[in-house]
Amino acid sequence: DGGITQSPKYLFRKEGQNVTLSCEQNLNHDAMYWYRQDPGQGLRLIYYSQIVNDFQKGDIAEGYSVSREKKESFPLTVTSAQKNPTAFYLCASSIAGAEENIQYFGAGTRLSVL
Amino acid sequence: AQKITQTQPGMFVQEKEAVTLDCTYDTSDQSYGLFWYKQPSSGEMIFLIYQGSYDEQNATEGRYSLNFQKARKSANLVISASQLGDSAMYFCAMREGLYNFNKFYFGSGTKLNVKP
Repeated sequence: DGGITQSPKYLFRKEGQNVTLSCEQNLNHDAMYWYRQDPGQGLRLIYYSQIVNDFQKGDIAEGYSVSREKKESFPLTVTSAQKNPTAFYLCASSIAGAEENIQYFGAGTRLSVL
Repeated sequence: AQKITQTQPGMFVQEKEAVTLDCTYDTSDQSYGLFWYKQPSSGEMIFLIYQGSYDEQNATEGRYSLNFQKARKSANLVISASQLGDSAMYFCAMREGLYNFNKFYFGSGTKLNVKP
């Protein structure tokens, strides 16, 4: 079955630690995205990538980093510079060049600070 | 100004009845797209329905329909014959422009509870 897989489902970060959230898709989509969701709020864009080896900052990129070495994979690193990382993180993908640009999402990773 | 406004934080509906979830949007672009997503307690965002700004007919997908009123800038979701499994958060979203990857805005959501 085609879809987007995020792992782990739950992640705990210690003070000063970098952690990496995994996102893999087998939909053959060109574009991939990372969003952050805080309680009672909608989604905010962290980073997006239209093609391999290229990515752009979204609205709240500070304290985060990404890479796009393969079409299928778009990992997100939450660095120690992100002072308030506790949130729900969602990865999405879409067909680049399609007018609708419907984004399909993974099941998310819940990150908490120890 | 908010790009997407959902004014109903929570809604209740009786099983088998229809329910309308409100969404208004703000854009000066002529080309845009409107989306509804469902987020159950498990967290995954599930795509429900899409409406393009040039589409003259309201979009429908099974029990979901999008009531698109362009002049009023509203894109309400109508769920017919509600089921217990429809209990979830519902998010309205908008993509501004064509082929834009970073102009995708979400509302704050409406929590729908379906009562048996």
